[in-house]
Amino acid sequence: DAMVIQNPRYQVTQFGKPVTLSCSQTLNHNVMYWYQQKSSQAPKLLFHYYDKDFNNEADTPDNFQSRRPNTSFCFLDIRSPGLGDAAMYLCATSNSGGASEQFFGPGTRLTVL
Amino acid sequence: DQQVKQNSPSLSVQEGRISILNCDYTNSMFDYFLWYKKYPAEGPTFLISISSIKDKNEDGRFTVFLNKSAKHLSLHIVPSQPGDSAVYFCATSYGKLTFGQGTILTVHP
Repeated sequence: DAMVIQNPRYQVTQFGKPVTLSCSQTLNHNVMYWYQQKSSQAPKLLFHYYDKDFNNEADTPDNFQSRRPNTSFCFLDIRSPGLGDAAMYLCATSNSGGASEQFFGPGTRLTVL
Repeated sequence: DQQVKQNSPSLSVQEGRISILNCDYTNSMFDYFLWYKKYPAEGPTFLISISSIKDKNEDGRFTVFLNKSAKHLSLHIVPSQPGDSAVYFCATSYGKLTFGQGTILTVHP
């Protein structure tokens, strides 16, 4: 089945220790997104790639970066995680931007100690 | 500033009855709306959408109503089933997907 896969599902890191979250897709979609969702809040878009073009949201902290080495994979790097970065991180894909339906992975729950 | 709001954090409904989930938005330029459903330990999955040129869209047990003058949309589930118990997010797609906070729906047998 075509899908969006996120690894690991649970990640524990220490305050200030860099961490990388991984997303892969078998849908061959052009666009890949990273969202942050804190408890009882709406998922918040951090950035997205349209093919190789990177689009950062204006309010995404500099601490968060992303890489997309090929169509299938996208990584979220948190350079120096703080306690406030503990959240669920959701990866999504779509066939094109704008109003097209997005397909989500199961998320990675990040804990910062 | 929250552009999409779901004011009810939770809703409890008896099996077989109607579930009505509500969503309000602030920007009259928003022209496409979606509902996503999320089970625990899974990502959100697309449920139903509506364009601003319509005021109603129906798909089986799920109907979405849009009231543009009130900047309000609602999702009706009839009849509700225990398997519908999940978190429901409304979202608008205007350049990017902007979500509400979600409503936890519990359908009791």
